[in-house]
Amino acid sequence: GEDVEQSLFLSVREGDSSVINCTYTDSSSTYLYWYKQEPGAGLQLLTYIFSNMDMKQDQRLTVLLNKKDKHLSLRIADTQTGDSAIYFCAADGNYQLIWGAGTKLIIKP
Amino acid sequence: DGGITQSPKYLFRKEGQNVTLSCEQNLNHDAMYWYRQDPGQGLRLIYYSQIVNDFQKGDIAEGYSVSREKKESFPLTVTSAQKNPTAFYLCASRAGGPGELFFGEGSRLTVL
Repeated sequence: GEDVEQSLFLSVREGDSSVINCTYTDSSSTYLYWYKQEPGAGLQLLTYIFSNMDMKQDQRLTVLLNKKDKHLSLRIADTQTGDSAIYFCAADGNYQLIWGAGTKLIIKP
Repeated sequence: DGGITQSPKYLFRKEGQNVTLSCEQNLNHDAMYWYRQDPGQGLRLIYYSQIVNDFQKGDIAEGYSVSREKKESFPLTVTSAQKNPTAFYLCASRAGGPGELFFGEGSRLTVL
């Protein structure tokens, strides 16, 4: 079945760039998403990329999509303590989003 | 403001009791979803509804029930048949088809 995979943890120093990676199996996904979840809260859409794009940039966020390898990444420049959260990758499935397990971003001072 | 409201935020239940979690949206969205979140497992789909008076089982529907009598409301009942109900429950909605999913703030259910 359709699957989305991402590593569970990423630790970076404050001020460095964070790169969170994700792989997916459904090549027919129209949109690919990055959601952010802060502790004890719901998820909020961070950014998304349409499947015919290679890159999307939005302020400190850069999304790269490699359709051939089915690989999606989220780069956060100048990582701040407020970026500490769980980041979910998701791909459009038939009737729902297919979710990765989430990557917990840990910021070291 | 438009959005999704879940209640209660925290709920404690004794074993053997049913409990209903509320989810209301004023975004005029057709599709609504219930997810369960456990640590390190991401989101698992319990039930979804693409239109009023219709709903479908997701990946982990056993022990849960839903109704969709109004477009704005999609309550989830956690029944006593659910073997391990302690979890964080998230409700979401979207307009239909591909596009952004909007989430509520979640309800944390603890079974004592």
